[in-house]
Amino acid sequence: SYELTQPPSVSVSPGQTARITCSGDALPKKYAYWYQQKSGQAPVLVIYEDSKRPSGIPERFSGSSSGTMATLTISGAQVEDEADYYCYSTDSSGNHRGVFGTGTKVTVL
Amino acid sequence: EVQLVESGGGLVQPGGSLRLSCAASGFTFSSYWMHWVRQAPGKGLVWVSRINSDGSSTSYADSVKGRFTISRDNAKNTLYLQMNSLRAEDTAVYYCARAAWDSSGDYWGQGTLVTVSS
Repeated sequence: SYELTQPPSVSVSPGQTARITCSGDALPKKYAYWYQQKSGQAPVLVIYEDSKRPSGIPERFSGSSSGTMATLTISGAQVEDEADYYCYSTDSSGNHRGVFGTGTKVTVL
Repeated sequence: EVQLVESGGGLVQPGGSLRLSCAASGFTFSSYWMHWVRQAPGKGLVWVSRINSDGSSTSYADSVKGRFTISRDNAKNTLYLQMNSLRAEDTAVYYCARAAWDSSGDYWGQGTLVTVSS
């Protein structure tokens, strides 16, 4: 079955840049979406269609995609950005089967 | 305001069945694809299933295919997940979602906990 691979953890100092990667074979043809999830809460969309930012999401969150890798960048990370981050995409079967990445714990300290 | 409210979770024995519901409001339910996503305790998000707007097309994750059935009642603005032959590994919080993956906006319910245990 289709898989999206993320690094388990990323650590960054406040004000520095955090980059989270998501690797998948279908990403050249399929959009990536990024979610932030804090403990005990439902996920929150921070990037959609590779690089678009929903209203209300700070500008420090940005996304890009090239080849088989999508990247979420947090520029000038804040303490409140500490959370789990998941990418999402679909496989290339044409059946609209979704898949989440393995998740990345971002620590800001 | 878009609202999604899941219900139907609880404790069930291995091999048992449970039906989850997701009551939708604040939007034209019959116009949108809907999804179920689950998260086992301390684990990551897992996409479970999706259904198109009129219920004529569905997809499932391999881990639930043949055991779970997604459906909807557009007259009642309600999404369902019928879960049969439940296993311990199905223990999770189950979220329904109207996701940005196939429409504008991204909305999730608060989740309902399913525990499969003897």
